[in-house]
Amino acid sequence: KNEVEQSPQNLTAQEGEFITINCSYSVGISALHWLQQHPGGGIVSLFMLSSGKKKHGRLIATINIQEKHSSLHITASHPRDSAVYICAVPFAGGTSYGKLTFGQGTILTVHP
Amino acid sequence: SAVISQKPSRDICQRGTSLTIQCQVDSQVTMMFWYRQQPGQSLTLIATANQGSEATYESGFVIDKFPISRPNLTFSTLTVSNMSPEDSSIYLCSAGPEANEKLFFGSGTQLSVL
Repeated sequence: KNEVEQSPQNLTAQEGEFITINCSYSVGISALHWLQQHPGGGIVSLFMLSSGKKKHGRLIATINIQEKHSSLHITASHPRDSAVYICAVPFAGGTSYGKLTFGQGTILTVHP
Repeated sequence: SAVISQKPSRDICQRGTSLTIQCQVDSQVTMMFWYRQQPGQSLTLIATANQGSEATYESGFVIDKFPISRPNLTFSTLTVSNMSPEDSSIYLCSAGPEANEKLFFGSGTQLSVL
């Protein structure tokens, strides 16, 4: 089973700050997911990436497949970014289908 | 993309009873998955719901406790049977991804067992 480590577990920022959340995993994969979970449980998929970098608005995700590491960056953070951010990788490595194992999540709080 | 409707959104149940959670997808999907999120923890995969065959359960989860149905490519149910307070969790279904697509999640079912 793939093991996933996220850091930090908790992150507090002031509005406008640049945020970085890190994710490392143990077994080689073809793609990784970044997810956002709001209070109440709803989960939104932010990125699925297999190499390099993807950008969507103020969110940037990078991955280094060789080093088994990914980062999620938020530029110009805003209080509405407050949520739990979770990385997920294929359960036993390899291809990225829905059978996943998840990091423990990073709780982000952005203060005005 | 796919939209998944999950219900109920929350329920409070008595010990020893069963609850069935439904997920309806607005398009056909090959694979559906059921996850549990215990308080303060991340998601744990319960099983993969296969259309036309029995679900595939992960270690620590059994069919008698969590029976799953997948009658077609757009629908699945998870039943939490003979509930105890330890079953109090958020339960989520997901679908996909197909190659190079994002994951899609239901909105979750917050279950509390008294």
